[in-house]
Amino acid sequence: DAGVIQSPRHEVTEMGQEVTLRCKPISGHNSLFWYRQTMMRGLELLIYFNNNVPIDDSGMPEDRFSAKMPNASFSTLKIQPSEPRDSAVYFCASSFTGIGHNEQFFGPGTRLTVL
Amino acid sequence: AQSVTQLDSQVPVFEEAPVELRCNYSSSVSVYLFWYVQYPNQGLQLLLKYLSGSTLVKGINGFEAEFNKSQTSFHLRKPSVHISDTAEYFCAVSRTGANNLFFGTGTRLTVIP
Repeated sequence: DAGVIQSPRHEVTEMGQEVTLRCKPISGHNSLFWYRQTMMRGLELLIYFNNNVPIDDSGMPEDRFSAKMPNASFSTLKIQPSEPRDSAVYFCASSFTGIGHNEQFFGPGTRLTVL
Repeated sequence: AQSVTQLDSQVPVFEEAPVELRCNYSSSVSVYLFWYVQYPNQGLQLLLKYLSGSTLVKGINGFEAEFNKSQTSFHLRKPSVHISDTAEYFCAVSRTGANNLFFGTGTRLTVIP
């Protein structure tokens, strides 16, 4: 298996632009998670999906952030409009959730820089 | 709700010395416990996990951790570290069967030659 795939790996954009981050979870996994990592705030859970349905989006910073999971093999995290304080590494992770099976597998991350 | 406290933000240790990274958790229900490692510019990788059974769990790269329910701890240990162990280590907890993990703030392990 190729693991969790994220694209792009690096994104540099200007303030005000729309940014879309993409994630392909591991085949067969039924949960997907979006995290943000910064030096100041560490690793933060933004949102997670179970069976393509958003379960908890309480970590989404504000309305500028939105996430979708149209099917079991694809998810997007969109920031519109982007701001410099959104600069961070964004990780996607997936898992098969069940008794005894909920370790998360992380993608390599997308490093976002908003100028 | 569950939470995790990693008491040390940075741990420097000399090569071939033993190391212990501390993790304490808080939960009123049964939990699963995890240690993840993050090498520079990479995603998190699972080191080991405790789900049930033996309280001593062995993971990859010679690491092990011991689940202590009475002390609500899950400390990570390695008897002899290598330069390549330099990384950030995260402890995480979840309610048994739950979807999400609660991560600690991480401990940066630096192995000194």
